[in-house]
Amino acid sequence: DAGVTQSPTHLIKTRGQHVTLRCSPISGHKSVSWYQQVLGQGPQFIFQYYEKEERGRGNFPDRFSARQFPNYSSELNVNALLLGDSALYLCASSLVVGWGRGNEKLFFGSGTQLSVL
Amino acid sequence: AQTVTQSQPEMSVQEAETVTLSCTYDTSESDYYLFWYKQPPSRQMILVIRQEAYKQQNATENRFSVNFQKAAKSFSLKISDSQLGDAAMYFCAYRTRGNDYKLSFGAGTTVTVRA
Repeated sequence: DAGVTQSPTHLIKTRGQHVTLRCSPISGHKSVSWYQQVLGQGPQFIFQYYEKEERGRGNFPDRFSARQFPNYSSELNVNALLLGDSALYLCASSLVVGWGRGNEKLFFGSGTQLSVL
Repeated sequence: AQTVTQSQPEMSVQEAETVTLSCTYDTSESDYYLFWYKQPPSRQMILVIRQEAYKQQNATENRFSVNFQKAAKSFSLKISDSQLGDAAMYFCAYRTRGNDYKLSFGAGTTVTVRA
């Protein structure tokens, strides 16, 4: 089975532009999460979606938005790009969400490296 | 808010030797998960080991083991018999009990393995 796939792998944009990042979860996984990893730091939680509904949101401005499609794939959109948005954007999928549902694990993709010039 | 602190930016270990990575966290919760993730140059985060807070027994996965001290809010990772393939960035992460799956990560520790 394929793992979590993200596209594109690399992207270069200029300030003020808009970007869309895409993620396909592992087959059968219904939850997708997005993380931002700035160089030299740990990943920061942006969003989580489960069954097409937003389940969690991190401390990010409204320029960041996401959605999940009926096939459970997801898009992360960032408007009015700033230099500080340059980072590795990681997508992760899991079978379920919630607590006490068993040993659900989070599986990560290899990320999209976004550079804002 | 939960914070996770990794105080060692870099650690170096001789092949076949043992290295211990430190992690402390701050929380008011009594039930939670702690994780160690490995991020090699391929950038994909790989789960190394997981610990449930209500379990007193320290988790082990082959050459990887943890020392979980709940009262001290400490969660260290020991890599035994280090191999060249262990070279990577290691992140400590925390997940609270809740209806989501939000991970809070530390800043990471870069592990280099000397041949």
